[in-house]
Amino acid sequence: DIQMTQSPPSLSASVGDRVTITCRASRRITNYLNWYQQKPGKAPNLLIYAASSLQSGVPSRFSGSGSGTDFTLTISNLQPEDVATYFCQQSYSTPYTFGQGTKLEIK
Amino acid sequence: EVQLVESGGGLVQPGGSLRLSCAASGFTFSSYWMHWVRQLPGKGLVWVSRINGDGSSTTYADSVKGRFTISRDTAKNTLFLQMNSLRAEDTAVYHCARDPDLRGYSFLENWGQGAQVTVSS
Repeated sequence: DIQMTQSPPSLSASVGDRVTITCRASRRITNYLNWYQQKPGKAPNLLIYAASSLQSGVPSRFSGSGSGTDFTLTISNLQPEDVATYFCQQSYSTPYTFGQGTKLEIK
Repeated sequence: EVQLVESGGGLVQPGGSLRLSCAASGFTFSSYWMHWVRQLPGKGLVWVSRINGDGSSTTYADSVKGRFTISRDTAKNTLFLQMNSLRAEDTAVYHCARDPDLRGYSFLENWGQGAQVTVSS
């Protein structure tokens, strides 16, 4: 199975900051990498697919990059409503494994 | 509007069975891969299984292979997960999710709110 390692496990940032979350795959997955946002009590919500494609309806302050084994989710101009846990997921091969999550809080 | 609504969760003893259902609406059900993903009590996400549009292709995580069966009824727009020989470690919230399989890229575009499954004596 492909292992997905996210960092950091948690972070705290201020409104307006630029935030970066990283995800590393245990082997090359080209760009078969998705990012999800999960707010407390809610189901996960797709943000980014195929490493850098923004899902329809997602604010443009969210962006994704990377290829191979190293990927990044960037939130520019952090907003209070971005408080959530963020997960990466590889869809290169089954089982489609997830990272352990990054909990984002506002300072 | 796409809607996915799970049902059938509950408390079951180890070794018991449950059947989860996911009622889909707002899209052409038979055109989409569908998945089950579980969220563990510690909040991690674990992919469980997937099925293609006509039900002819299924895949499972090793941890559930031989115990769980995914299926779908396209006439009733419903996805199922039959869970047998349940173990304590199967305790989780189970989400169904829609996958457009866009140009070969699989991603979970819409999720249901989830059904709680608790395995305990």
